[in-house]
Amino acid sequence: EAGVTQSPTHLIKTRGQQATLRCSPISGHTSVYWYQQALGLGLQFLLWYDEGEERNRGNFPPRFSGRQFPNYSSELNVNALELEDSALYLCASSPTGKVGYTFGSGTRLTVV
Amino acid sequence: AQSVTQPDIHITVSEGASLELRCNYSYGATPYLFWYVQSPGQGLQLLLKYFSGDTLVQGIKGFEAEFKRSQSSFNLRKPSVHWSDAAEYFCAVGVMNYGGSQGNLIFGKGTKLSVKP
Repeated sequence: EAGVTQSPTHLIKTRGQQATLRCSPISGHTSVYWYQQALGLGLQFLLWYDEGEERNRGNFPPRFSGRQFPNYSSELNVNALELEDSALYLCASSPTGKVGYTFGSGTRLTVV
Repeated sequence: AQSVTQPDIHITVSEGASLELRCNYSYGATPYLFWYVQSPGQGLQLLLKYFSGDTLVQGIKGFEAEFKRSQSSFNLRKPSVHWSDAAEYFCAVGVMNYGGSQGNLIFGKGTKLSVKP
């Protein structure tokens, strides 16, 4: 069984640009979660999608947005990039309503 | 508000020694609790989880954790540490949303484990 896959592995952007990160959940998983892991700040919850709907959102500005597609894959978009957005972005998936989810290996976003 | 505290930022143990990583949580209801491990540059791997039943939970790689409601704790233990256990360990509490189904997890800031030969 394939795990959660994220692309790209690394992404380098210039301040002010937009970044798009992608996540494919485990087959059969309908929930996708996005987390930001910045140095010294731990894992911060960004977004939760389930069945194509945004179910919950963390304390991040609106320039962090995303969506979930009919095949349950998901996209995270970060607009107007700031240097502080440099972090490892982790995606996780789970079956709807199930406890404990599986993480991907992450996308390392560097803003210069 | 829900929160997780891991009081130890960095712990060093000798190979073969026992290990206990501390985790305290704050949550208004019966929590769903998790321990994850992260190797450098990698995603997080689930070690074990608790959501009901026996308060002593067995996980992968020889780890176990005990839920103590009276102390709001969920400490992770291993009787004999191996060099390959060197990594960062995260405790998390599940926040229930959406009609009682699982929502996002709130993570502690992690404990980095170093293992000396």
